Amino acid sequence: GESVGLHLPTLSVQEGDNSIINCAYSNSASDYFIWYKQESGKGPQFIIDIRSNMDKRQGQRVTVLLNKTVKHLSLQIAATQPGDSAVYFCAENPGQAAGNKLTFGGGTRVLVKP
Amino acid sequence: NAGVMQNPRHLVRRRGQEARLRCSPMKGHSHVYWYRQLPEEGLKFMVYLQKENIIDESGMPKERFSAEFPKEGPSILRIQQVVRGDSAAYFCASSPAKISGNTIYFGEGSWLTVV
Repeated sequence: GESVGLHLPTLSVQEGDNSIINCAYSNSASDYFIWYKQESGKGPQFIIDIRSNMDKRQGQRVTVLLNKTVKHLSLQIAATQPGDSAVYFCAENPGQAAGNKLTFGGGTRVLVKP
Repeated sequence: NAGVMQNPRHLVRRRGQEARLRCSPMKGHSHVYWYRQLPEEGLKFMVYLQKENIIDESGMPKERFSAEFPKEGPSILRIQQVVRGDSAAYFCASSPAKISGNTIYFGEGSWLTVV
């Protein structure tokens, strides 16, 4: 869900370790789920998405898991690097009929320790 | 983020002044979305426009805020009589007419500070 007026939760991870970022979503009718990375002073950058009829999708060093039963989405980053330090947001896309209006989660800050 | 151009990147306004934020979508994209981000929060939907049409403005405050996407030129988000609470990052995103989950692209944002 979304956090309102709260500091972002932070995940500290050692360089080289794997990171897991979690997100709870609200709309069971969402068509797509998307993970974005946002670095300080920049816009959201697409990482990976997953369609609602899938439960797992892999990209380069990233894996997204979707559990529709409990409305849970996770992003796994393998061999975390200093350049992965950023805030990560999940977003739901309800689909074309609903205007592709993205709903963002509250975000998780990832800090990679050298 | 390549292709969606926003300007100005940073804007400072005194209370009561007007702020105009501009967004040029990626080439070939006819749909524009505006989002607002407060510090330490996620992005919140404001408005969805197509050329010369506002499709969904359910996230726009009822007063002082307006948006347009004319036939020619960039989309404009206009905030009249700004107040301190308007200080935020405003992001524009664009997409082609038919999209899938990963074809919404964001600009680098416009940071508005109201003093």
